[in-house]
Amino acid sequence: GAGVSQSPSNKVTEKGKDVELRCDPISGHTALYWYRQSLGQGLEFLIYFQGNSAPDKSGLPSDRFSAERTGGSVSTLTIQRTQQEDSAVYLCASSLAQGVSFTDTQYFGPGTRLTVL
Amino acid sequence: ILNVEQSPQSLHVQEGDSTNFTCSFPSSNFYALHWYRWETAKSPEALFVMTLNGDEKKKGRISATLNTKEGYSYLYIKGSQPEDSATYLCALPSFNKFYFGSGTKLNVKP
Repeated sequence: GAGVSQSPSNKVTEKGKDVELRCDPISGHTALYWYRQSLGQGLEFLIYFQGNSAPDKSGLPSDRFSAERTGGSVSTLTIQRTQQEDSAVYLCASSLAQGVSFTDTQYFGPGTRLTVL
Repeated sequence: ILNVEQSPQSLHVQEGDSTNFTCSFPSSNFYALHWYRWETAKSPEALFVMTLNGDEKKKGRISATLNTKEGYSYLYIKGSQPEDSATYLCALPSFNKFYFGSGTKLNVKP
């Protein structure tokens, strides 16, 4: 079956512009996660959705970052007024997670490479 | 913030060698531990999810153990192959967030 998909695969933008990154989880997966990996850094957790709700948004790096999920499916991560330090690979993952559980296997998408000039 | 440490940072082995690496974490409030393999230019791939003290999981030549009382997990690879070359990450959930270690980068030479 189809895996997690993300779009665009690459995005180059100018400092100060807004960008929107999209994640399509595996059909039927109720949990969705956003991560990023900046150059030379480890994998950083950003936010997690159970259905359409995000219990905790404090992992988002700044108030320029926002995320939403609609219909329990597609999620978008929006970065406003991008800065050079936002350059990173943004990864999305989904898991079956019928309840609030962090023990389910996460399936990752291919990522979006964001470059802010 | 949950402090997750992995060692070594990198490892170079010859094809056929067996190897192991460590993930260390605070033993209090343990909920679960995830192991991932991340090959260059690919997405992270889940290897194991471990929840119980004493858990042992196996997938082919790769196995993992968990000690929640002392706060560590070992990942073992038996008879390493070049295709095992990747970064191996561990991650733990805590209060609606996931905390990843910095990974162990394994390079297996043919």
